[in-house]
Amino acid sequence: GAGVSQTPSNKVTEKGKYVELRCDPISGHTALYWYRQSLGQGPEFLIYFQGTGAADDSGLPNDRFFAVRPEGSVSTLKIQRTERGDSAVYLCASSNLGGVLDTQYFGPGTRLTVL
Amino acid sequence: SQQGEEDPQALSIQEGENATMNCSYKTSINNLQWYRQNSGRGLVHLILIRSNEREKHSGRLRVTLDTSKKSSSLLITASRAADTASYFCATDEGQGAQKLVFGQGTRLTINP
Repeated sequence: GAGVSQTPSNKVTEKGKYVELRCDPISGHTALYWYRQSLGQGPEFLIYFQGTGAADDSGLPNDRFFAVRPEGSVSTLKIQRTERGDSAVYLCASSNLGGVLDTQYFGPGTRLTVL
Repeated sequence: SQQGEEDPQALSIQEGENATMNCSYKTSINNLQWYRQNSGRGLVHLILIRSNEREKHSGRLRVTLDTSKKSSSLLITASRAADTASYFCATDEGQGAQKLVFGQGTRLTINP
């Protein structure tokens, strides 16, 4: 079946603009995760959804970042008033049930560049 | 913050040789996973080892886990040019936490 997909693959924006990044998880997966990866670093956790609700948003860096998953499938990561430091690859992952032993399957990522 | 630390940060070997990468972590865990990443984009899951397991194999991959030392190793045998990638270890943080905490990765280059 299809894997995790993310759109757009690349996004270039100007400082201060608003952006939305989309994630389509594997069909039937109840858990969805967002991570952010800066150049030369490992991914860093942002937020985790179990169904429609954000079960853990402890990784969101500040209130400019927000994510939704209204129907328990597709998720959108929203960034307001973008800053140059927000430039990174944003990765989405999904897992079957969200258990600690569940494998997380990653999408190809969205590369965000803030000029 | 990142829990894991990979060692070495970069490794370059000849095709056919074995590659060993190490990972250390800080807190108690339920499992440890290894991922591969090509060209800085999506991560491919390689193997998961549970905290009560000491060794696991998958094809040319062998993973060990030493919870007393809070460390793991990934061995790739008979390396191929296609194994060139970055390799990351990732752990949960125990206590039922769902998020993965990644190390900084090892950049592996296989020279033909």
